[in-house]
Amino acid sequence: NAGVMQNPRHLVRRRGQEARLRCSPVKGHSHVYWYRQLPEEGLKFMVYLQKENIIDESGMPKERFSAEFPKEGPSILRIQQVVRGDSAAYFCASSPSDSGANVLTFGAGSRLTVL
Amino acid sequence: QKEVEQNSGPLSVPEGAIASLNCTYSDRVSQSFFWYRQYSGKSPELIMSIYSNGDKEDGRFTAQLNKASQYVSLLIRDSQPSDSATYLCAVSGSGYSTLTFGKGTMLLVSP
Repeated sequence: NAGVMQNPRHLVRRRGQEARLRCSPVKGHSHVYWYRQLPEEGLKFMVYLQKENIIDESGMPKERFSAEFPKEGPSILRIQQVVRGDSAAYFCASSPSDSGANVLTFGAGSRLTVL
Repeated sequence: QKEVEQNSGPLSVPEGAIASLNCTYSDRVSQSFFWYRQYSGKSPELIMSIYSNGDKEDGRFTAQLNKASQYVSLLIRDSQPSDSATYLCAVSGSGYSTLTFGKGTMLLVSP
């Protein structure tokens, strides 16, 4: 029973490039959350998605960041024209459809480094 | 703006002692409270959840919740060096509201 799978685990991009981070939730989970963790900081909520719907994107920067969770396939967090301040660990978490968002299972994270 | 506050530490305790980690939150309507453990470079791992006032015990861990004081704590009895990690307090409202995390408290247990 695989947990939340994230890839790539490590990603290096130069300023101005695009970063795509993928997340496959726990089998049977239909709720996906993305969090960002800057060095020495806590986890900051970015976006909450269900299949084909963005439920809450109040934590997403207004520009350059987007997320989707298509009917088929993993959830994608996309960062366009990356800057050094985007360097962080990006964690995806999922929860089942028959409970609240409360019990999250986290993936191992994707660590983005912007040169 | 919902806020969750934790002392960043490090909190240093000797092996076998009780470690006490504290957390306060700003949103009075919060209903669900969690403690996650995060080892350096790893993902957060849920260790305790608590939903009602009082104490909840699970092995060496005890979570304590006081909604009137907007305060939640985690006690770790018989601390072990393997407990050395950052402990994140997380809070949410009802239903599918998202989790708000504190910055975490680093715990160091010395042999």
